[in-house]
Amino acid sequence: EVQLVESGGGLVQPGRSLRLSCAASGFTFHNFGMHWVRQAPGKGLEWVSAISPDGYGLGYGDSVKGRFTISRDDAKNSLFLQMNRLTDEDTAFYYCGREDEAASGYIDNWGQGTLVTVSS
Amino acid sequence: EIVMTQSPGTLSVSPGDRVTLSCWASQSVSGNLAWYQQKPGQAPRLLIYATSTRATGIPARFSGSGSGTEFTLTISSLQSEDFAFYYCQQYDGWPSYTFGQGTKLEI
Repeated sequence: EVQLVESGGGLVQPGRSLRLSCAASGFTFHNFGMHWVRQAPGKGLEWVSAISPDGYGLGYGDSVKGRFTISRDDAKNSLFLQMNRLTDEDTAFYYCGREDEAASGYIDNWGQGTLVTVSS
Repeated sequence: EIVMTQSPGTLSVSPGDRVTLSCWASQSVSGNLAWYQQKPGQAPRLLIYATSTRATGIPARFSGSGSGTEFTLTISSLQSEDFAFYYCQQYDGWPSYTFGQGTKLEI
């Protein structure tokens, strides 16, 4: 069974940094692209970032480009999101998602999310 | 960035109704369009990918169609468990994928 478990969320002050992690199990992690998607409280889904299976292909949404960095550690079956220069607009649930096996780009499995709150 | 627009924002329906949700892309995304369902307090769940292919375990009452810039999700006969939010997502525009703003199905 595919399992994705996010961690690292919490309360952080504006301008500070936070690093999210996603622990993957139940599949061969290094064969799959991975995504981060966020959802502000009461709002819709916003695609944040993605990384290809080999780690070289990186993509970012316009609102996080230059501030967030996605990475992966295949030895630890883990996905990361380094978030810098946080603002209150970054407050959201952050979901980790597994891309489909053919690397088309849709997300076929989701974690339960971790909440990031940016506030002074 | 490709902008995805969903309509309507909220749809009031009844169990047993046939429902059609719409999704438009600001430019062609070919057939690279997915639909997700999200219930309150839960993570999204993949329903449809490649415009019309149901994901594993998704009931046949869910169907997708469309091409280019116009797409639809149809639920043939609403069940009580289908009341939720529905989002479309384009995955044609690497390295930038985008979601629609969502449609809420309410009783």
